[in-house]
Amino acid sequence: DAKTTQPPSMDCAEGRAANLPCNHSTISGNEYVYWYRQIHSQGPQYIIHGLKNNETNEMASLIITEDRKSSTLILPHATLRDTAVYYCIVRPHNAGNNRKLIWGLGTSLAVNP
Amino acid sequence: DAGVIQSPRHEVTEMGQEVTLRCKPISGHNSLFWYRQTMMRGLELLIYFNNNVPIDDSGMPEDRFSAKMPNASFSTLKIQPSEPRDSAVYFCASSLWASGYNEQFFGPGTRLTVL
Repeated sequence: DAKTTQPPSMDCAEGRAANLPCNHSTISGNEYVYWYRQIHSQGPQYIIHGLKNNETNEMASLIITEDRKSSTLILPHATLRDTAVYYCIVRPHNAGNNRKLIWGLGTSLAVNP
Repeated sequence: DAGVIQSPRHEVTEMGQEVTLRCKPISGHNSLFWYRQTMMRGLELLIYFNNNVPIDDSGMPEDRFSAKMPNASFSTLKIQPSEPRDSAVYFCASSLWASGYNEQFFGPGTRLTVL
C-alpha cells in the first residue's frame, strides 16, 4: 500500500474551514484515498473516500489533485467537536482477500473557540 | 443498530494473568479486525478475519496473543500470560466487504492495564 504523509498537528478557529492535507506521491492507479478520524477516547470513525473525483458528504469534502499525488480533507465549518486525529489512508479498491488499512500517525486537529 | 460491541470496557489485571477481550461485530459484516493502540506505536493491526477465517495474523506480537472467531457474531482476543507492556487500548472493528469498499466500523475499545 502507498504511504501517506500528513502534518502532525494543525489548528483551526471554530466556524472556519479546516483544510487537512495529505501527500501520497506513490499512489497507484487502483488505490483509493480514505479518511478516518479519531475523537479522544473513541474508536476511529470513517469520514469519506475517493478515487480521483472530488467527493462530498454530510461530514466533509475530499479534494484530490489531478495527478492524485495529494489530497485535502475539508471540514467546511469546523466545530469544537471536530477536534480529533485525522488519518489519511490509501489502499487498493479490489485487493482480493487483503482488507487491511495501514494507519499512520495522522494529523491532530485542534479547533479553538 | 448497536454497532460493534466490545467487553469489558476496562480491564485491570496483574502480570501473568490471562486476559480475554470480547467483540461482537455488526450483524451481516464479514470482516473483523483486532487493533492495538498506544501512544508510542499508534494504531496497529493485530489480526483480521474474513468470513470467520483468520487471514493475516502478522501483527500479533508473540505467541502469548491468540484470537478466535468461532462464528460470525463473536470473536475473542486472548493474552496469556499478560505483561505490563501489553497495556494499551484494544479496538475491534468490522466491515462488510462489498465491491471492494472497505469502511471499517470500530467499537469503543477495551482499555487494558497490566500491573
